[in-house]
Amino acid sequence: EADIYQTPRYLVIGTGKKITLECSQTMGHDKMYWYQQDPGMELHLIHYSYGVNSTEKGDLSSESTVSRIRTEHFPLTLESARPSHTSQYLCASSERLAGVNEQFFGPGTRLTVL
Amino acid sequence: AQSVTQLGSHVSVSEGALVLLRCNYSSSVPPYLFWYVQYPNQGLQLLLKYTTGATLVKGINGFEAEFKKSETSFHLTKPSAHMSDAAEYFCAVSDRGFGNEKLTFGTGTRLTIIP
Repeated sequence: EADIYQTPRYLVIGTGKKITLECSQTMGHDKMYWYQQDPGMELHLIHYSYGVNSTEKGDLSSESTVSRIRTEHFPLTLESARPSHTSQYLCASSERLAGVNEQFFGPGTRLTVL
Repeated sequence: AQSVTQLGSHVSVSEGALVLLRCNYSSSVPPYLFWYVQYPNQGLQLLLKYTTGATLVKGINGFEAEFKKSETSFHLTKPSAHMSDAAEYFCAVSDRGFGNEKLTFGTGTRLTIIP
């Protein structure tokens, strides 16, 4: 079944640790996105990719980095986690249907940095 | 730049009552419009979208939305609320044409259903 996966679903980690949030999709979509979502607030785009070896920063500045070496994989890395990074991170991918890019979301990773 | 306003961060309705969630956009050119639903501890799921044509759009789970250009609105409705409708709802827009890959989201409306 075509889908989009995120691991881990929940992560509690200490300050200064390096972490990687995984995102994979089996739909063959070229475009992928990372959003940051704080409680009760809208989603903010922090990174996106239009294909392999393509990555761009989003509207919200983030200390995280991303890579896109394979079409299906779009991991997000924080080199040194801080409490301010505590948030929910949502990954999405999209396909163009009748001229409209429809985004499909993963279940999210809830990150807590102590 | 696009912006989306969702009036009411929290909406409570009784089971069986009408659900109305409001969304207004700011753009001189009507954008593509979307409503997404987010259940607790889950990602977002597309409810419906408006691109062109008929202004009343039907989506999943009995929801529908009407695009009103004169009011720059895209309000979401459901005639009869069900307990399973309790969730967070997000309105989103994207530009038409090339470069419309990015979505701009509203701040969301939390819908509570009263038994």
